[in-house]
Amino acid sequence: AQSVAQPEDQVNVAEGNPLTVKCTYSVSGNPYLFWYVQYPNRGLQFLLKYITGDNLVKGSYGFEAEFNKSQTSFHLKKPSALVSDSALYFCAVRDYPVMIKAAGNKLTFGGGTRVLVKP
Amino acid sequence: DSGVTQTPKHLITATGQRVTLRCSPRSGDLSVYWYQQSLDQGLQFLIQYYNGEERAKGNILERFSAQQFPDLHSELNLSSLELGDSALYFCASSAHVGPYDEQYFGPGTRLTVT
Repeated sequence: AQSVAQPEDQVNVAEGNPLTVKCTYSVSGNPYLFWYVQYPNRGLQFLLKYITGDNLVKGSYGFEAEFNKSQTSFHLKKPSALVSDSALYFCAVRDYPVMIKAAGNKLTFGGGTRVLVKP
Repeated sequence: DSGVTQTPKHLITATGQRVTLRCSPRSGDLSVYWYQQSLDQGLQFLIQYYNGEERAKGNILERFSAQQFPDLHSELNLSSLELGDSALYFCASSAHVGPYDEQYFGPGTRLTVT
């Protein structure tokens, strides 16, 4: 079964400093990986995804993520954090082709990491 | 704004009651997903529909049911409600069922069972 772990419940960073949110995954087939962000009282917003190709994926709002197959990780990064980046971040995985064979397309989410950027 | 709409935004009801949550996917999206977000369980997949047909089931209770209508909107029915059903319920949509399709989430319906 597919699973995702976000080892940190909360990450604190000063504005202007680099931000990293960690994610590790477990799948049977090939991983399709996603990052979402949730602001207070809002739905989840798609940030970026890794399907295949370059291990460094660029997404919205200056975020990027690095896929590392040997470490089964997909860490989210931002070179210079903003106060407005304070939110809840979710990593998610889809197990391909296992899910395709099961005719399903669900995402399995990690527990979320709360990011607090201080001015 | 993701283009996915959900109604109502908030719902307060009593134990034992039945409620219906409604979702309209993004224009052109054929696939609809329902998720439940609670403090103790996190974000859990409930069920997926594609073009009117059930495609996949997750941790959905027998007291819960869903359907997708010909106009592609979807409803999630929750019956015999219990206190533990209090949660944020999200609907998401995607264009198809490809593994690379990202899902776009609605703002959610916050259900409070008293």
